[in-house]
Amino acid sequence: QKEVEQNSGPLSVPEGAIASLNCTYSDRGSQSFFWYRQYSGKSPELIMFIYSNGDKEDGRFTAQLNKASQYVSLLIRDSQPSDSATYLCAVNARGAGANSKLTFGKGITLSVRP
Amino acid sequence: EAGVTQSPTHLIKTRGQQATLRCSPISGHTSVYWYQQALGLGLQFLLWYDEGEERNRGNFPPRFSGRQFPNYSSELNVNALELEDSALYLCASSLGGGGTTQYFGPGTRLLVL
Repeated sequence: QKEVEQNSGPLSVPEGAIASLNCTYSDRGSQSFFWYRQYSGKSPELIMFIYSNGDKEDGRFTAQLNKASQYVSLLIRDSQPSDSATYLCAVNARGAGANSKLTFGKGITLSVRP
Repeated sequence: EAGVTQSPTHLIKTRGQQATLRCSPISGHTSVYWYQQALGLGLQFLLWYDEGEERNRGNFPPRFSGRQFPNYSSELNVNALELEDSALYLCASSLGGGGTTQYFGPGTRLLVL
């Protein structure tokens, strides 16, 4: 079973719509959850992180975490063409002792149509 | 405040050669991570260094190695290069170790011919 799974997409939405990106994880003990955005040919940049169950909002972005169902999602409101990128979900997967690591999903490509 | 820096931006090598990639973390960050991102694949964790020690290693052969210097900068060495080593190599740094927020550098694009 993959540790962090994202639907491969691509996901296409019209400008102004809400884009919903989902991610599931296998390690029930995971504690930290991150969303990164990666433009083609560039490195990932952090959008949001979330630690607690529920919603966390930052501007047009909302991260949602449900530990019982083991999923984390990212909502992008009023999507803009500049939001077109690959979105990576990352989870703190516990390892031996304190050597936990961040595990990334393969990412989902979002395309916002003008 | 300067972000994570990496050098070189591009590197071209031939099979069997060695490659050395360098990374400087954000000031104050003690942890450095290395990832490989091959075309069409996700980020694959390579190595994690913290306070000069290797803390964790991904599922890569021993010819991938590295070290962290007293100033927390790091280098990644890839010996006996193979064609499939061609990828974007990303370095990230964080304040602490483990699952704390990681910030990425611009990457080094390695091409093995």
